[in-house]
Amino acid sequence: SQQGEEDPQALSIQEGENATMNCSYKTSINNLQWYRQNSGRGLVHLILIRSNEREKHSGRLRVTLDTSKKSSSLLITASRAADTASYFCATDILNTDKLIFGTGTRLQVFP
Amino acid sequence: DAGVIQSPRHEVTEMGQEVTLRCKPISGHDYLFWYRQTMMRGLELLIYFNNNVPIDDSGMPEDRFSAKMPNASFSTLKIQPSEPRDSAVYFCASSLDRRGRGANEQFFGPGTRLTVL
Repeated sequence: SQQGEEDPQALSIQEGENATMNCSYKTSINNLQWYRQNSGRGLVHLILIRSNEREKHSGRLRVTLDTSKKSSSLLITASRAADTASYFCATDILNTDKLIFGTGTRLQVFP
Repeated sequence: DAGVIQSPRHEVTEMGQEVTLRCKPISGHDYLFWYRQTMMRGLELLIYFNNNVPIDDSGMPEDRFSAKMPNASFSTLKIQPSEPRDSAVYFCASSLDRRGRGANEQFFGPGTRLTVL
């Protein structure tokens, strides 16, 4: 069963706009990760946020984590057409080294 | 480093045939994961290895599926006999050990697109 559920399932925006994706999960975690998947490709790691962190930045990416609500958000600022992809959150299971991936958000950025 | 390497990239076979998917993880990585991705079920973890030892195979759907890791640089996922419902993209990923601090960043291969007719 999937740990994470992403919202929205699909998002369409214009270049230059910001894109926000949300992830909810079910159990306690050590960390939460976000990945991107371009069509026909493998997943690529974007950012990892630990359970004791609330916010993290990497370039145009901003990730927040609220462990009390078991939720996270990924913000992509000043989006570009090249950001078009599916985005997945992934959470680990305590005392294991495996990740459980969410259902993903398909982002379409129009030039 | 060439990243995680998977072969073949595409496989078309007939129901009942044996299928073998191959993976070469990134050198030095401690963990190897096999995933299956479908539209209906999303990305599912099938099995993972730590230092060549299978740790959790609870995601393997049936006895028709088996995975091995004979050494640190090679793993196989075998389906015998294959069925049309096995059609999916199969990914291999590898990662380093975070030494008890939770799961680490995973590096994915390009995937094998399997079609079983």
